[in-house]
Amino acid sequence: NAGVTQTPKFRVLKTGQSMTLLCAQDMNHEYMYWYRQDPGMGLRLIHYSVGEGTTAKGEVPDGYNVSRLKKQNFLLGLESAAPSQTSVYFCASSYSTLGRRNEQFFGPGTRLTVL
Amino acid sequence: TQLLEQSPQFLSIQEGENLTVYCNSSSVFSSLQWYRQEPGEGPVLLVTVVTGGEVKKLKRLTFQFGDARKDSSLHITAAQPGDTGLYLCRGRTSGSRLTFGEGTQLTVNP
Repeated sequence: NAGVTQTPKFRVLKTGQSMTLLCAQDMNHEYMYWYRQDPGMGLRLIHYSVGEGTTAKGEVPDGYNVSRLKKQNFLLGLESAAPSQTSVYFCASSYSTLGRRNEQFFGPGTRLTVL
Repeated sequence: TQLLEQSPQFLSIQEGENLTVYCNSSSVFSSLQWYRQEPGEGPVLLVTVVTGGEVKKLKRLTFQFGDARKDSSLHITAAQPGDTGLYLCRGRTSGSRLTFGEGTQLTVNP
């Protein structure tokens, strides 16, 4: 049982390049999330998914796209990277969003630098 | 606008000291969680509280949910270097999504 895994762990991009971050979970969770974490700003929700084939915008969705083709995978794409997207990206999953069952399980993070 | 305000933002103490960190909102929480994040890792859930006035203990950590469900506190007794980390609260206020506070960065010096 690996929990939530993310690939890659580190990446350096040049401005304008594209990339996809992969998140996988083996807990059969319906809900999956992508966050970015920047110093002094906590975790900000980029996009989330409430089930296979569905996605929705979070607090800071601009410049990112996502897809949830399979229940266990949630992909985050950057079509044209900008220096402002330099951050640590975390994927998370949860069984529910209600009460005590909305515990989020996080991956180890991807550190992205855009030059 | 930050829905959840955490204080203090930074805290550096000596091993053996006690400390309290806070999570506040002007709105009522329907539920609130505390997470701890260690360097280079993702956050890990410590506790979920849902009832006003609820108190939960996890070894040396005591979590309290305010009677009016607008605030929460985390108290650590006899802090140890292993308690070092970023403490995040996460909650849902009326009419909003679940959101994280900015966190309290705790450093416990040996």
